[in-house]
Amino acid sequence: QKEVEQDPGPLSVPEGAIVSLNCTYSNSAFQYFMWYRQYSRKGPELLMYTYSSGNKEDGRFTAQVDKSSKYISLFIRDSQPSDSATYLCAMRGGYNKLIFGAGTRLAVHP
Amino acid sequence: GAVVSQHPSRVICKSGTSVKIECRSLDFQATTMFWYRQFPKQSLMLMATSNEGSKATYEQGVEKDKFLINHASLTLSTLTVTSAHPEDSSFYICSARERASGRTEQFFGPGTRLTVL
Repeated sequence: QKEVEQDPGPLSVPEGAIVSLNCTYSNSAFQYFMWYRQYSRKGPELLMYTYSSGNKEDGRFTAQVDKSSKYISLFIRDSQPSDSATYLCAMRGGYNKLIFGAGTRLAVHP
Repeated sequence: GAVVSQHPSRVICKSGTSVKIECRSLDFQATTMFWYRQFPKQSLMLMATSNEGSKATYEQGVEKDKFLINHASLTLSTLTVTSAHPEDSSFYICSARERASGRTEQFFGPGTRLTVL
């Protein structure tokens, strides 16, 4: 079993839709959770950073962490074609190493 | 703030040659830099962790003699792929962790696409 599971998609939605992206993990010791956005042939860009359980909102993006279920989510409201990218969840493990999910490819079509 | 650059962005080389990739933190000092590789449509795989002034720590299965890492200053780390072969063709990405703030986020460079002919 991988430490972090993420559905690779692809996920295709119409412009304006609410997008829900999810990851599950197995290590209950994880405390720091991140979402990165990666455009094709570019490095990942940090979108959201959350410590422990709870919600965090930033503009159209909301990150949720449910440690009891070992489940994290990223919601994108009013999705735009410019949101089309691969979204990677990541968790901080020992020695500050990041453990990434496989990434979900999102396509928002006009 | 928190900008990380990589150079070159793209390199094509012949099999058997060595290639050096630079990773720089432009507006902060990086205690630690990380090197990843990413194959098409796959996630990032950590290769090694680089701390300024000390030897890099390599992940299991990564050959330290093939992937030489030098972290000479708080703003620069280099990855040298020695005697490159076609199977080393990949997207190499570095990240840096900021020293002063104690923050745990990693900021990523734009990546270097290596093609070995």
